[in-house]
Amino acid sequence: DAKTTQPPSMDCAEGRAANLPCNHSTISGNEYVYWYRQIHSQGPQYIIHGLKNNETNEMASLIITEDRKSSTLILPHATLRDTAVYYCIVRVAKNAGGTSYGKLTFGQGTILTVHP
Amino acid sequence: EAGVVQSPRYKIIEKKQPVAFWCNPISGHNTLYWYRQNLGQGPELLIRYENEEAVDDSQLPKDRFSAERLKGVDSTLKIQPAELGDSAVYLCASSLVWGGVAKNIQYFGAGTRLSVL
Repeated sequence: DAKTTQPPSMDCAEGRAANLPCNHSTISGNEYVYWYRQIHSQGPQYIIHGLKNNETNEMASLIITEDRKSSTLILPHATLRDTAVYYCIVRVAKNAGGTSYGKLTFGQGTILTVHP
Repeated sequence: EAGVVQSPRYKIIEKKQPVAFWCNPISGHNTLYWYRQNLGQGPELLIRYENEEAVDDSQLPKDRFSAERLKGVDSTLKIQPAELGDSAVYLCASSLVWGGVAKNIQYFGAGTRLSVL
């Protein structure tokens, strides 16, 4: 799976949009971009994923650049409860054979702190 | 709908003692994962099951770690004997994989925090 690069930490004011960047310059054509977050003392929580089109759900929006080498997770109106570590993960989604496709490879993520 | 349930939440043991963690995945999920998360790091996969079969255990330290998933539902992860370096959070996750195309949305439990003294 392709490697990702994220800033170690970011701050955001409550009520403002939080834009978390991720670089994945070595991404392959069959690899998706996934975002998970981990709130203190909890397990990781799925947020959103996409291949090449922008995606939106009730939690966030995912913007993927046209060359797919980077993406941005957008939390439109951050709240204090959004304070967490955010992980950007690139991986194959379809079964291409072998045993590694089911693995999520977590980096160190971005610590997002939302301030009042 | 109940999520992934893990127990215990916390465990403190002395080194060389055995320890076991239990995981109940989301109903209907055929794939189960055990991850280990060291302090300040992201989780790392230890083993992945598809139904009862361990299909990826390449990262499981087999000299002291073992896992089982009887009847393709609940799973236990065991360490015997535990070492100081095993102190970490052990996370269980489950997902639905069907027809060769993985949904690949893994749902995680809250984890078991192990402290080895």
